[in-house]
Amino acid sequence: DGGITQSPKYLFRKEGQNVTLSCEQNLNHDAMYWYRQDPGQGLRLIYYSQIVNDFQKGDIAEGYSVSREKKESFPLTVTSAQKNPTAFYLCASIPGHGFPGYTFGSGTRLTVV
Amino acid sequence: AQSVTQLDSQVPVFEEAPVELRCNYSSSVSVYLFWYVQYPNQGLQLLLKYLSGSTLVKSINGFEAEFNKSQTSFHLRKPSVHISDTAEYFCAVSDRGSGTYKYIFGTGTRLKVLA
Repeated sequence: DGGITQSPKYLFRKEGQNVTLSCEQNLNHDAMYWYRQDPGQGLRLIYYSQIVNDFQKGDIAEGYSVSREKKESFPLTVTSAQKNPTAFYLCASIPGHGFPGYTFGSGTRLTVV
Repeated sequence: AQSVTQLDSQVPVFEEAPVELRCNYSSSVSVYLFWYVQYPNQGLQLLLKYLSGSTLVKSINGFEAEFNKSQTSFHLRKPSVHISDTAEYFCAVSDRGSGTYKYIFGTGTRLKVLA
């Protein structure tokens, strides 16, 4: 079945460490997105990519980095510069033409310990 | 800038009662509108969407939403809720002309269906 796979489901990070969250899709979608979810704040856009080797900052990109070397993969790195990284991270994708709505992955919960 | 308001953070309702979850957006530019549902520790699932055409859209599990351009609203309704509808519901909007398909999400409404 086609879909988006996010891994790991739970991730623990020590202060000062960089961690990378994986997002893989087999839907042949062109565009991919990373959102951060915090209680009571809804979802906020971190980065998005509409084509391979190109990506754009969202509303809260500081302390994060991404790459898009392959169409199916859009990993997110949470760097030590992100001062409050504990959150639920969601990856999404759309075909890039027409507009059926996002397909979301099941999320990664990151906790700083 | 576009914004989405979901005024009710929590809505308790008894099983088989009707429910309305409210959503208003700020800009009158042409938009796409969505409702998503999220169960605990899971991703979001598309519930229904308004892209164009009929202003009343329906989902397969009995929810419906009506696009009201003059009131910039897209409220979600269900005439009779079930225990299994307990979840968090998010309204989202995307500007048609942007070309980026970025969504702006509301802060969510927790629907709690009581037996």
